[in-house]
Amino acid sequence: EVQLMEAGGGLAQPGRSLRLSCAASGFKFDDFAMHWVRQAPGKGPEWVAGITWNSGTTEYADSVRGRFTISRDNSKKSLFLQMDRLRFNDTALYYCAKDVEAAADGGFDHWGQGTLVSVSS
Amino acid sequence: SYELTQPPSVSVSPGQTARITCSGDALPRKFAFWYQQKSGQAPVLVIYEDTKRPSEIPQRFSGSSSGTTATLTISGAQVEDEADYYCYSTDNSGDQKVFGGGTKLTVL
Repeated sequence: EVQLMEAGGGLAQPGRSLRLSCAASGFKFDDFAMHWVRQAPGKGPEWVAGITWNSGTTEYADSVRGRFTISRDNSKKSLFLQMDRLRFNDTALYYCAKDVEAAADGGFDHWGQGTLVSVSS
Repeated sequence: SYELTQPPSVSVSPGQTARITCSGDALPRKFAFWYQQKSGQAPVLVIYEDTKRPSEIPQRFSGSSSGTTATLTISGAQVEDEADYYCYSTDNSGDQKVFGGGTKLTVL
């Protein structure tokens, strides 16, 4: 059974940083691209960032490019999101999501339960 | 920026067929994925690559795509199918990865 477990969310002030992590199990982690998707309260999902199976390519939404960094450690079956220079509108539930393929061009077939990030002064 | 357009709401009676559309200029060349999200829960994949259904999803869920419109069909909708449904796809380059605005399905 595929399981994705996010951690690292919390309350942060604008301009500060947070680092999210996602522990994966139940599938061959290094065969698939991975993504972060967020959902602000009362809104639909928004893709944030993706990374190919071997970390060869990373992609970002315009709203986070230059502030967020996605990475992975295949030896630990873990996905990360370093979030710097946080803004009020980064407040959301952040989901870790598994791609259906090794490149980051497919959709997401499994999601974690999410970790909540709140940016407030 | 690339957009996928969905109707905000669809309403059917139990046992009727519900159809939810998703329109986007790149859909003739890019696959659509469909997600069901019930209140307080993470999204669940119900259709991938336009027409494929995960094994754990009931057979009443199906997908199709023609031209710039992808469609999620729920044949014989049940009360438990009430949820928000989101389509997902990319622009032609694959750089912009977007969700539709979501459709609230009411079954009553």
